[in-house]
Amino acid sequence: NAGVTQTPKFQVLKTGQSMTLQCAQDMNHEYMSWYRQDPGMGLRLIHYSVGAGITDQGEVPNGYNVSRSTTEDFPLRLLSAAPSQTSVYFCASSPRTSGAPEQYFGPGTRLTVT
Amino acid sequence: SQQGEEDPQALSIQEGENATMNCSYKTSINNLQWYRQNSGRGLVHLILIRSNEREKHSGRLRVTLDTSKKSSSLLITASRAADTASYFCATCSSNTGKLIFGQGTTLQVKP
Repeated sequence: NAGVTQTPKFQVLKTGQSMTLQCAQDMNHEYMSWYRQDPGMGLRLIHYSVGAGITDQGEVPNGYNVSRSTTEDFPLRLLSAAPSQTSVYFCASSPRTSGAPEQYFGPGTRLTVT
Repeated sequence: SQQGEEDPQALSIQEGENATMNCSYKTSINNLQWYRQNSGRGLVHLILIRSNEREKHSGRLRVTLDTSKKSSSLLITASRAADTASYFCATCSSNTGKLIFGQGTTLQVKP
C-alpha cells in the first residue's frame, strides 16, 4: 500500500491565485482530514470528512474548500491565495471506529504564497 | 484553539538517557495520542491511550494518563540518535470527537 499520498510536494503561488492540493489514500479509510502546520502552532484542522459526500469545517476553514466524491480522494482548494496561507499542509486518514483512532499522515505539501 | 500544551518545548539529551515529555489539556477526552515527526516529514502515530487507561507501553515508549490532572507524559527510555524528532500529543475531545494537536516538543538526542 502507498498509504496517504500528497501532491505537489512544493508549490509557490502569487497572491490571488487558486490551486488544488491533492490527497489520496489506498487504505479504504472513511475519515480524511486536512491540517496546516505553522511554526510554534502545532497542527490545526482545516476541514475533515467522515465519508464520501460528507465534509465539515475544522478550526481554520476560511479560504479553503473541500469535496469528497470518492473514498480515496480528498482535495483541498485554495480559492484566492493569501500570504497568510503560507504553511505546510498535511492530509491524514483513519478508519471508522469509535472515538478518534490513530491517523495516517501524508508527507505534506509546502506552500509559499508571495 | 489548541487543546494540548506540551512541556518542555525543546529537550536535548545524550544517547542512552531517558526523555520525558509532558502534555496538559483542558477538556474531557476520549483518548490521547502521541505522534512523532521527523524533520520535513509527516507525522507518525506512536501510541494511543484511552481515557479509562492509566499507563501503556510500546517498546521503549511508556505513556501515562492522569485524567484528574488532565495531563499525560511520554517517556522514551534508552534514547537513540534516531529518536531525534518533534513529538506531539493529540487529544480526542469527548464533545466534538475531533483530534486536536499540541504545539510539540522538539527532542535532540546527541550521539
